[in-house]
Amino acid sequence: EAGVTQFPSHSVIEKGQTVTLRCDPISGHDNLYWYRRVMGKEIKFLLHFVKESKQDESGMPNNRFLAERTGGTYSTLKVQPAELEDSGVYFCASSQDSSLAGGLSNEQFFGPGTRLTVL
Amino acid sequence: EDQVTQSPEALRLQEGESSSLNCSYTVSGLRGLFWYRQDPGKGPEFLFTLYSAGEEKEKERLKATLTKKESFLHITAPKPEDSATYLCAVLPGANSKLTFGKGITLSVRP
Repeated sequence: EAGVTQFPSHSVIEKGQTVTLRCDPISGHDNLYWYRRVMGKEIKFLLHFVKESKQDESGMPNNRFLAERTGGTYSTLKVQPAELEDSGVYFCASSQDSSLAGGLSNEQFFGPGTRLTVL
Repeated sequence: EDQVTQSPEALRLQEGESSSLNCSYTVSGLRGLFWYRQDPGKGPEFLFTLYSAGEEKEKERLKATLTKKESFLHITAPKPEDSATYLCAVLPGANSKLTFGKGITLSVRP
């Protein structure tokens, strides 16, 4: 079974530019999550999709960040315009529908991350 | 607010020297506590889920335990390949967002 994949693995852009990150979840996983780790801090939640719908976007830093999941498959996270403080590693994770696990919480499986550097 | 604190920040062990990593947490209605392993340049790799106090899970040299306030990851006779950052995260009852600790960087010398 293929894992969560993310593209690109690294991105270096200048302040004010636009960057789009892509995540392909594990096939059949309805839940897709975006997280971010900035230097020296813990991994923090950004948002959660269930299929194509945004279930929770309470972690999105501001309106420069736009996440989409058209068709309920892959997701993109666009940062426009990028600022210096957006630098960090962006992780995507996916999980199955919890009803398939008897209501218990499901493991979230993470991708390798995209390292974003804003100069 | 949900909170996870991991200690120590870094741990250096000699090969074969057993030890424990601590994860203290506060959460509104724990739905699950997760342990992940992360190698440099890679994403977190799932290790264990614990659901209720008293639960234990084992995998090779690792054993995870859970109480109402903390979890321990016990490493028995570690090997150099166990060197990694170990992350603890909690899932609250009300939503599906994991709250992570900062992680514990484990280094095992041969």
